[in-house]
Amino acid sequence: GAVVSQHPSWVICKSGTSVKIECRSLDFQATTMFWYRQFPKQSLMLMATSNEGSKATYEQGVEKDKFLINHASLTLSTLTVTSAHPEDSSFYICSALSSTGVHYGYTFGSGTRLTVV
Amino acid sequence: AQSVAQPEDQVNVAEGNPLTVKCTYSVSGNPYLFWYVQYPNRGLQFLLKYITGDNLVKGSYGFEAEFNKSQTSFHLKKPSALVSDSALYFCAVRDMKGYSTLTFGKGTMLLVSP
Repeated sequence: GAVVSQHPSWVICKSGTSVKIECRSLDFQATTMFWYRQFPKQSLMLMATSNEGSKATYEQGVEKDKFLINHASLTLSTLTVTSAHPEDSSFYICSALSSTGVHYGYTFGSGTRLTVV
Repeated sequence: AQSVAQPEDQVNVAEGNPLTVKCTYSVSGNPYLFWYVQYPNRGLQFLLKYITGDNLVKGSYGFEAEFNKSQTSFHLKKPSALVSDSALYFCAVRDMKGYSTLTFGKGTMLLVSP
């Protein structure tokens, strides 16, 4: 089945530094990828939607200059948290859309636990 | 706008008993419906989906769900619960037309006791 590889699984960084999270679709082409943020014991909050080769569409309230999303190829999307602060600590999850016929569906990465100290 | 309601924060069931996790939805057109399970510090794992066809959908790990258009529901069920089923369950929906964004319910924690 479809697999999305997300790295790193966890990262600790100092306040003010930047962190990059990668998501790769291993066996299918993902024309659309989604980035979510999840707080403890809460649902997923959509941050942005990215289509290959075009600028990401950010949800209301999400700072596009802080959360940089790049979707340069059909198999790779990255989220960079710039100038991270402790309030950015969270669980980040990516999802890729496979939109071909009966295999239609959303495949999720395993998530990245970001801790900013 | 599309929305999903999972009315129960937590469902408790004894191992071997049947379980139901409730989900109702609202979309302007025909829905695509999904159930996912999340274990601690992990991403979401796909359980099953309804796109079209039979209203009763069978999925992974013995789970099934029934699409009920009149009640706009898509409840998740399993005939016999396992302790290992204990996890956080999310129902999600998107409109068949329009944007491809999934809308998630708030999640239901399932606790299966031995």
